[in-house]
Amino acid sequence: EVQLLESVGVWGGLVQPGESLRLSCAASGFTFSSYAMSWVRQIPGEGLEWVSAISASGGNTNYADSVKGRFTISRDNSKNTLYLQMSSLRVEDTAVYYCAKDHYGSGSYIFDCWGPGTLVTVSS
Amino acid sequence: DIQMTQSPSSLSASVGDGVTMTCRASQSISSFLNWYQQKPGKAPKLLISAASSLQSGVPSRFRGSGSGTEFTLTISSLHPEDFATYYCQQSYSIPAFGQGTKLEIK
Repeated sequence: EVQLLESVGVWGGLVQPGESLRLSCAASGFTFSSYAMSWVRQIPGEGLEWVSAISASGGNTNYADSVKGRFTISRDNSKNTLYLQMSSLRVEDTAVYYCAKDHYGSGSYIFDCWGPGTLVTVSS
Repeated sequence: DIQMTQSPSSLSASVGDGVTMTCRASQSISSFLNWYQQKPGKAPKLLISAASSLQSGVPSRFRGSGSGTEFTLTISSLHPEDFATYYCQQSYSIPAFGQGTKLEIK
């Protein structure tokens, strides 16, 4: 069974504006190194926003304009883990963050499996 | 950037009814259109990809159609578990989601 599970750093998901945070997504049940992956976020009660994607090898990345230059996506295929390093966090980055598996190996941007999500709150 | 617009934003219906919701793209996206279902407190679930390709395990009462800029999701006979929010998403370029259609029980 394909499973994705997001987690946040040891300090939890509550940070102040300007601070940094790293999200992790542990994958199992499929050949992680063969699939592109993405992060998608959702402000509670609102719609979905794609944040970033990374190719299967990790050699290609893409970002939404709203996070470009502040967020960095990466992966460790030996650990079956996807990461999102978030810096210079803003109040408007407050959201539930989902990791999502690409339906095809290459970046099709069709998301066929999602983690349960992890809440990141940016507040002073 | 390609903008996605869904209508209506909410829809009330009864079990057994058929419903149709629409998704429009700001420019042609061919058939690069996907539909997701999301229930409160849960992650989205992929229902349909490439405008009309039903995902494995998704009931046949769900049907997607359209191409270019206009797409529809039809549920032929509502079951209680179908009441949820539905999002369209284009995968033609940098992904973008519609704002969602909330399907509520009448």
